[in-house]
Amino acid sequence: AQSVSQHNHHVILSEAASLELGCNYSYGGTVNLFWYVQYPGQHLQLLLKYFSGDPLVKGIKGFEAEFIKSKFSFNLRKPSVQWSDTAEYFCAVNALRDTGRRALTFGSGTRLQVQP
Amino acid sequence: EPEVTQTPSHQVTQMGQEVILRCVPISNHLYFYWYRQILGQKVEFLVSFYNNEISEKSEIFDDQFSVERPDGSNFTLKIRSTKLEDSAMYFCASSSASTSGYNEQFFGPGTRLTVL
Repeated sequence: AQSVSQHNHHVILSEAASLELGCNYSYGGTVNLFWYVQYPGQHLQLLLKYFSGDPLVKGIKGFEAEFIKSKFSFNLRKPSVQWSDTAEYFCAVNALRDTGRRALTFGSGTRLQVQP
Repeated sequence: EPEVTQTPSHQVTQMGQEVILRCVPISNHLYFYWYRQILGQKVEFLVSFYNNEISEKSEIFDDQFSVERPDGSNFTLKIRSTKLEDSAMYFCASSSASTSGYNEQFFGPGTRLTVL
């Protein structure tokens, strides 16, 4: 079974600071990787996804993530955060191509607070 | 832009009562899911549904839970006899039937269930 670890539970940054949120997963096979964001009072929205190909993926709102297979990691980055990036960020994984299972396994989330 | 909708947004019930949470998935999607998030914990997979039957379920999805697609648009989660520990945010999601081994799940806004 897969598991996902997000080691940063709460991150506080000032506007314009750079962001990197860690995500590690445990599964030795082929994975699909996702970052979802949940703005206050809103539903989960997909920020970006990795399926195959270029391990550096770009998502919406200037976010990107890098898949490093050897480290089982899929860290989320943004060069310069804005106050509007204040939200909770969830990393998720599934191994659909190996297992046929579509269920997403989520990390515990990272609460990002951006101070103006 | 099409989206997943859920009703009600907040449901309060007494322990032992039955509740039905409703979802309207995106219209051309064929896979439907329920997840839940207990306050302060991870988003956890409950069940997925395809072609009018359960395709996957987690160990959380025991006999007190059931899902149904009663008509062409709704997808429901029934909890037969609620317990205090069922208090959580319940998210519905849907995805298309990709044959390429990848699925992006679109989430609804959630129903907050409070069991007293």
